[in-house]
Amino acid sequence: RKEVEQDPGPFNVPEGATVAFNCTYSNSASQSFFWYRQDCRKEPKLLMSVYSSGNEDGRFTAQLNRASQYISLLIRDSKLSDSATYLCVVGGGNKLTFGTGTQLKVEL
Amino acid sequence: EAGVAQSPRYKIIEKRQSVAFWCNPISGHATLYWYQQILGQGPKLLIQFQNNGVVDDSQLPKDRFSAERLKGVDSTLKIQPAKLEDSAVYLCASSPTLAGGFDEQFFGPGTRLTVL
Repeated sequence: RKEVEQDPGPFNVPEGATVAFNCTYSNSASQSFFWYRQDCRKEPKLLMSVYSSGNEDGRFTAQLNRASQYISLLIRDSKLSDSATYLCVVGGGNKLTFGTGTQLKVEL
Repeated sequence: EAGVAQSPRYKIIEKRQSVAFWCNPISGHATLYWYQQILGQGPKLLIQFQNNGVVDDSQLPKDRFSAERLKGVDSTLKIQPAKLEDSAVYLCASSPTLAGGFDEQFFGPGTRLTVL
């Protein structure tokens, strides 16, 4: 089983739609959780950290379910500029482990 | 604030040749990471430095890959000899945190390596 698993997609959605991505992790001792965004042929950039209580940043909401070992990212009112790959990242010990990413394509 | 700098941006070599990549992290960042990102996959950690010491190199293929961070600032990653499967983007990242914490990692633009 992979340490961090994501559906690679692509998710093709119309502008204005709501889309959700899930990510599962295998190490129950993991302590830190993040979503990074990676545009095509660019470097990853932090989108948001994920806290146990859930957190929201504008149109983006992240949630953590420790019991089921999954993390989710919800994007409301999708914009064309949201088209990118979303990387789920899990931290434990001294190491961050990246998922393979979920590709989102927002269309007119 | 200047970001993470990497060079070269692109490199094409033949298999069995050697190649080196350079990274200059954000000033003052204690931790430096080298990742390998193969097309369609997420970044895979190769090596993590805290200042000039190695924190984790468990996924570094040590028979062909080496890295150093002299003086705890710049870092170089070397592949010798290269194989076809080394074709990937090599990303350098830095973060201000000492080992044990997880601050945001700031990535450089990467070096795209093609091995023919």
